[in-house]
Amino acid sequence: EPEVTQTPSHQVTQMGQEVILRCVPISNHLYFYWYRQILGQKVEFLVSFYNNEISEKSEIFDDQFSVERPDGSNFTLKIRSTKLEDSAMYFCASSGTSFTQYFGPGTRLTVL
Amino acid sequence: AQSVTQLGSHVSVSEGALVLLRCNYSSSVPPYLFWYVQYPNQGLQLLLKYTSAATLVKGINGFEAEFKKSETSFHLTKPSAHMSDAAEYFCVLGGGADGLTFGKGTHLIIQP
Repeated sequence: EPEVTQTPSHQVTQMGQEVILRCVPISNHLYFYWYRQILGQKVEFLVSFYNNEISEKSEIFDDQFSVERPDGSNFTLKIRSTKLEDSAMYFCASSGTSFTQYFGPGTRLTVL
Repeated sequence: AQSVTQLGSHVSVSEGALVLLRCNYSSSVPPYLFWYVQYPNQGLQLLLKYTSAATLVKGINGFEAEFKKSETSFHLTKPSAHMSDAAEYFCVLGGGADGLTFGKGTHLIIQP
């Protein structure tokens, strides 16, 4: 069964450093999403992406964040200058025409 | 604005007993509603979804949920709990290609 994959599973970085989180969505899906879950808090929507552009973003998704689909398979989330409060689990999701979103296993980001 | 409220951050039931996880939503448009499950150290797995067809929705692993518009509820039930059901359950509101709105989650504990 097709699934969404994410790498790395755990990323540790120093405050101020740039990180790139990678996702491979389900191959025939057209809509891509990033969410985050800070420890002990609810899962929060960051951004959705369709047809090579952002279709919706939340207040959390400020200028420090960017997304890209660099090739036909990967979907990335870049944080330019990480802050302590960026420490969280980041989930990638994708959906097809049914709009049901399928999630990857997540990347745990730890900012020191 | 859309919102989801899950009553009870922790629910404990005995093995073989009825599972009832409560969810209420607020939406200005006809909602799509989902339940996702997160097993320890794993990603988010779709349990079931409501998309305005039948109000009683059956999902995987014997779970089902009933959409009640008059009560703005979408409670999740399972007639007989199994030890393997222990996990975090999220009630989720969404529609179309937009980002999903998550509840805070309910941690289901199964007592032997």
